[in-house]
Amino acid sequence: AQSVTQLGSHVSVSEGALVLLRCNYSSSVPPYLFWYVQYPNQGLQLLLKYTSAATLVKGINGFEAEFKKSETSFHLTKPSAHMSDAAEYFCAVSGGNQGGKLIFGQGTELSVKP
Amino acid sequence: EAGVVQSPRYKIIEKKQPVAFWCNPISGHNTLYWYLQNLGQGPELLIRYENEEAVDDSQLPKDRFSAERLKGVDSTLKIQPAELGDSAVYLCASSLGGAGNEQFFGPGTRLTVL
Repeated sequence: AQSVTQLGSHVSVSEGALVLLRCNYSSSVPPYLFWYVQYPNQGLQLLLKYTSAATLVKGINGFEAEFKKSETSFHLTKPSAHMSDAAEYFCAVSGGNQGGKLIFGQGTELSVKP
Repeated sequence: EAGVVQSPRYKIIEKKQPVAFWCNPISGHNTLYWYLQNLGQGPELLIRYENEEAVDDSQLPKDRFSAERLKGVDSTLKIQPAELGDSAVYLCASSLGGAGNEQFFGPGTRLTVL
């Protein structure tokens, strides 16, 4: 079975500050890991994904995430927050014989203060 | 290239009424997913199609929910009769299949059951 835990349902940072959104996963098979962003009244958009290549994954809009197997983590970071980064962020896992089925975390709402 | 199209975007119905949602995936994507997203939570898979075959419908409440994907392209998700607890966002996604491929999400249909 697979699961995802996102620590912190709401994170608030100041514009220009570091963004750190935490994600821990559980998987009995080598996982594929994803970060999606959701803006109000919109669908989910892929930020980045880990598929067993490089452990440090770079995505769109300056985001990156590092896969740490020993810590079963896949935290999302961005060096400098922008007002436009305010949104809901979801970490997800897939793998094994699930046929691409994504298991999502509960989500973290990111607020950016001017 | 057009993304995943869903309609309607919003639907308000009274309980016990039927409702249907439509999804047109990205051209060439053989895998189609329907997810349910409750307020403040991550999406949860309802059903996955590989072409026209439903290969994972274990989370679909079959007493009131049904889905079809005729000709392996468009898909329709139906609820009959709707209950108050069905109020949520229904997301459609498509992909080339497989656990590591990106799923592209539509904007969703927000259902309100009164």
